[in-house]
Amino acid sequence: EPEVTQTPSHQVTQMGQEVILRCVPISNHLYFYWYRQILGQKVEFLVSFYNNEISEKSEIFDDQFSVERPDGSNFTLKIRSTKLEDSAMYFCASSSPQGAYGYTFGSGTRLTVV
Amino acid sequence: GQNIDQPTEMTATEGAIVQINCTYQTSGFNGLFWYQQHAGEAPTFLSYNVLDGLEEKGRFSSFLSRSKGYSYLLLKELQMKDSASYLCAVDSNDYKLSFGAGTTVTVRA
Repeated sequence: EPEVTQTPSHQVTQMGQEVILRCVPISNHLYFYWYRQILGQKVEFLVSFYNNEISEKSEIFDDQFSVERPDGSNFTLKIRSTKLEDSAMYFCASSSPQGAYGYTFGSGTRLTVV
Repeated sequence: GQNIDQPTEMTATEGAIVQINCTYQTSGFNGLFWYQQHAGEAPTFLSYNVLDGLEEKGRFSSFLSRSKGYSYLLLKELQMKDSASYLCAVDSNDYKLSFGAGTTVTVRA
């Protein structure tokens, strides 16, 4: 069964540093997403991406965040100048077409900012 | 904004049935999903409803009433491995899923 792959599975970074979280969506999917889940809290939408541009973003997704699809397979989330409150599980997801056949989530990257 | 409510916790005995309710108020509606999430893991897809009625998939069934903004997930013949968090999520037709806070189901022997 096709999978969404995320790397790394765990990342520890110092406050103020930049991190890049990587995702390889399912190859024939057209919509890509980032979600985050702070420990003990609900899954929160960050951003959706379609046709090489952002389709929708939440109020969490401020100038500290950016996304990129640098080539035909990777989808990245960059967090500049990380803060303690950025510590969370970050999930990448993909779907095609939008919603009808479900969103497939990657196994997540656990980001810890110290 | 989007508002999705589900109970925080439920406990049931192995072999029993549990019903997890979800009510929602969203700006649009393109379908409702149920996901299972074990601690520290990704949500895994269980079911999708876009039309009113019941969708059955093995031991799991999901029901939707769009007019009432209501769904439930029914878990039958509970097994210990069903202990997990169950997430109700609505696709509000603006390229994102909005999640409820999740219902933690504990299955006891």
